Amino acid sequence: DIQMTQSPSSLSASVGDRVTITCRASQTISTYVNWYQVKPGRAPQVLIYGASEMQSGVPSRFSGSGSGTDFTLSITSLQPEDFATYYCQQSFDTPHTFGQGTKLDIK
Amino acid sequence: QVHLQESGPSLVKPSETLSLTCTVSGRSIRTYYWTWIRQPAGKGLEWIGRIYPGGTTNYSPSFRSRVTMSADTSNNQISLLMTSVTAADTAIYYCARDPSDYSHSASWGPGILVTVSS
Repeated sequence: DIQMTQSPSSLSASVGDRVTITCRASQTISTYVNWYQVKPGRAPQVLIYGASEMQSGVPSRFSGSGSGTDFTLSITSLQPEDFATYYCQQSFDTPHTFGQGTKLDIK
Repeated sequence: QVHLQESGPSLVKPSETLSLTCTVSGRSIRTYYWTWIRQPAGKGLEWIGRIYPGGTTNYSPSFRSRVTMSADTSNNQISLLMTSVTAADTAIYYCARDPSDYSHSASWGPGILVTVSS
């Protein structure tokens, strides 16, 4: 299986801050990385796919980058509704493994 | 717009078989990949496997020995069977639609909480 190592596991930030979450794959996976937001009691929602493609309806303060083995999710100007848990996922090969998650909470 | 809805028992006894159905509306299941993912309480997302109704299934090695996925194109449903469940299988189970191979999971059902307990 391809391992996805996500960091940090938790992050405290304030409204208006910029944050970055990273994900490293155990082997090269081109740009087959997706990012999801998970809130309590709700199904996961894809934010970014193909490393940098924004899902329709997702605010432009979310962006993704990277290729090969190293990937980042950035959120500029954090809004109250952005405090959630974020997961990366590789879809280069099955099983489509997820990172361990990053819990973003309010400082 | 595609809509997915998971259904099945909320309580399953240890050693028994978990059986879930994902009913899809708004799209034929024939032309997409359909994935099952779960999230145990307080833990991360786990990819269980996927099915392409044209005949392909891919299972995570973590579940391969006890999971079967199938597709009912007449009723536009996807099913998951997981045998020999234990308390560790207690989780929210989601079905999701992947638009293509190598793809993200674009659409998700609301999820169903399954508890394994006697």
